[in-house]
Parts: sequence; C-alpha cells; structure tokens
Amino acid sequence: EAGVVQSPRYKIIEKKQPVAFWCNPISGHNTLYWYRQNLGQGPELLIRYENEEAVDDSQLPKDRFSAERLKGVDSTLKIQPAELGDSAVYLCASSLGLGLSGRPEQYFGPGTRLTVT
Amino acid sequence: GDSVTQMEGPVTLSEEAFLTINCTYTATGYPSLFWYVQYPGEGLQLLLKATKADDKGSNKGFEATYRKETTSFHLEKGSVQVSDSAVYFCALKDGYGGSQGNLIFGKGTKLSVKP
Repeated sequence: EAGVVQSPRYKIIEKKQPVAFWCNPISGHNTLYWYRQNLGQGPELLIRYENEEAVDDSQLPKDRFSAERLKGVDSTLKIQPAELGDSAVYLCASSLGLGLSGRPEQYFGPGTRLTVT
Repeated sequence: GDSVTQMEGPVTLSEEAFLTINCTYTATGYPSLFWYVQYPGEGLQLLLKATKADDKGSNKGFEATYRKETTSFHLEKGSVQVSDSAVYFCALKDGYGGSQGNLIFGKGTKLSVKP
C-alpha cells in the first residue's frame, strides 16, 4: 500500500515568490494534516481537514498561507508571498476519520523542504 | 497550553550501549503519549504509544512507560544498533475542545550510534 505522497521533495525560491505543495494521502483516509517543521524543532500543526472541510486552521497564518482539499482527497498548501522565515519542512499526514476511540494513528509523508532565499 | 519537553541532543552512543531519552509533558486532562522516529530522508513513523497511566508502549526493542505522577514518558532501549540512528520525537495528543486529537511534538533528539 502506498504511503502519503508529497511533492516536490525540495523547493528553492526567492522571497516574495509564491510556492505550492501537494499531498496525496493514503487511500481511504478522511483526515489530512499539514505541519510545518522548523530546523531543530518538532512539527507544528498548520491545518487539519476532515474530508474537504478545514476543521482546525487556527495555526495557519492566513495572510499568506492558504490550503484546499477540494474533493476530500488530495490537498494543496500555498504560500504567497513567501518570506525568509518560511524556510522549513512542510509535512503532510493522514489518518482514518474520527471513531469512537478518538483519532487513530497519523501517517506522515516525507515532507517538502522549502528554502527561501 | 499543552507542551512536551525532551532532552537536548545530539546523543552519541556506541553500538550495544543503553539508551535513555527523557521526555516530560504538561497537559490538562489525560493525553495519549507517543514516540515518533524520523530516519534520514524519511517521514515520521510511529515508534510506540501509550494511552493511559502506567501503560508501557514497546516496539523494536524500545520501551516507554506513561508515568502520570512524574508526567514523563522516557524512551529506553537496552542495546542500540547503528540502524537506530535517527531523530526521535516525543509527542502528546490532547483530548479537549476543537483540537481533540492534534499531536503536539517536542523538539526532537538526534541519536547517532557508532559501530
């Protein structure tokens, strides 16, 4: 079974340019997460989707970040315009939907390493 | 808010040495606790978990016990191998409000095992 797929794996852009990251979750996983991992830090949640609905975007910097998951499967995270401080690894994760026992295990993709120069 | 604190790295050990990576947490209520591992060039993988006090999670020779009295979840392995070289993250999953089920991670501890 394929895991969580992310592309691109690496991206280098100049500040003020736009950038987009793509994620394809594990088949059948209703919940999708985007995290940002700064160098030397643990991942921090940006947004969580249940199917196509963003149910927690409280940590997403909405002035420059946007995300979508139009058909409840693939998702795109966009930054426009990028700033130097956006350099980080952007991780996508997915899990089965909420059940009686709470949220099950999250499976992570390899991430996209963004460098803003 | 909820938080996780784990020991600073990097940690460098010789093969077959004993490993301890300390992790303590602050949380309201009764979170679930996790250890994730990130091998070079790969995504995070769940290593082990514990969902209530005194539970012991174990996998691949690694163990951690959920200690409510000390709010700790230390990772241990009796004999490390070179293949264990990776970054280890302690995490909790809170259980209240709109963020129910969101993972909160520590900063990670890099382990290097020398032959």
